[in-house]
Amino acid sequence: SQQGEEDPQALSIQEGENATMNCSYKTSINNLQWYRQNSGRGLVHLILIRSNEREKHSGRLRVTLDTSKKSSSLLITASRAADTASYFCATDDDYKLSFGAGTTVTVRA
Amino acid sequence: DTGVSQNPRHKITKRGQNVTFRCDPISEHNRLYWYRQTLGQGPEFLTYFQNEAQLEKSRLLSDRFSAERPKGSFSTLEIQRTEQGDSAMYLCASSSLRGRGYGYTFGSGTRLTVV
Repeated sequence: SQQGEEDPQALSIQEGENATMNCSYKTSINNLQWYRQNSGRGLVHLILIRSNEREKHSGRLRVTLDTSKKSSSLLITASRAADTASYFCATDDDYKLSFGAGTTVTVRA
Repeated sequence: DTGVSQNPRHKITKRGQNVTFRCDPISEHNRLYWYRQTLGQGPEFLTYFQNEAQLEKSRLLSDRFSAERPKGSFSTLEIQRTEQGDSAMYLCASSSLRGRGYGYTFGSGTRLTVV
C-alpha cells in the first residue's frame, strides 16, 4: 500500500508560472522527500524535509511540512519547460521509502 | 563514481522464462534497495540490503523473486517463471547510513516486458 497521496494528479501550466502540488500521508514519519521522474527514467532526489522542520528551500523549490495535518507541499517557482516531469513525495520510515502515485506536471512553452 | 548503474535498461522476455537484473550502487553506500514501478504509479518497495544482509522483504516479493548482494557490493534481482503481471520498471537505489537524511540515489531502472 502507498503511504503518500499527491494532489493534483496532473497539472498543466505556462512557462514562468508557479506550480504547487500537495502530498498527504498516513503515519508518523522521520522525514519526507520529494523526487522528480522524467518519462521512463529513474527518480532524482529533489529535497528532504525532516519531521521537526516546517519549511525548506532549494533553488526554485520550496517545501512545507505540517505534521499535525500529515501533509506537505512542493512549490516550483518560475517554471521552465525542463520542469516537465512527474513529482513524487515519499515518506521515510528509516529503511524504506513509501511513495504516492505522483503529480504529472506539464510546462507549456 | 557515476551513480547507481542498472543493467540491462530494457528486457523483453517470454512468459515462463527467468530473468536477472543487476544493480551497481554508489561504492560507499552500504544500503541497497529494490523497487518496482508500474505505469502511472509510484515505486513500491520490494526489498533492501544493509551490506550483504537482506533485512526486509515486501509481501510483493513472491517465491519467484530472489535478490542477492554478495560481498555487499552489486546486487542481482532474479525473477523465475515470469508472468505478464511482472511487467514493470525495476528500480534500484542506494543510500549511506552515515548520510541518513540526504535522500536516496536511484538508478535509471530496468524496464521488463513479459510477452
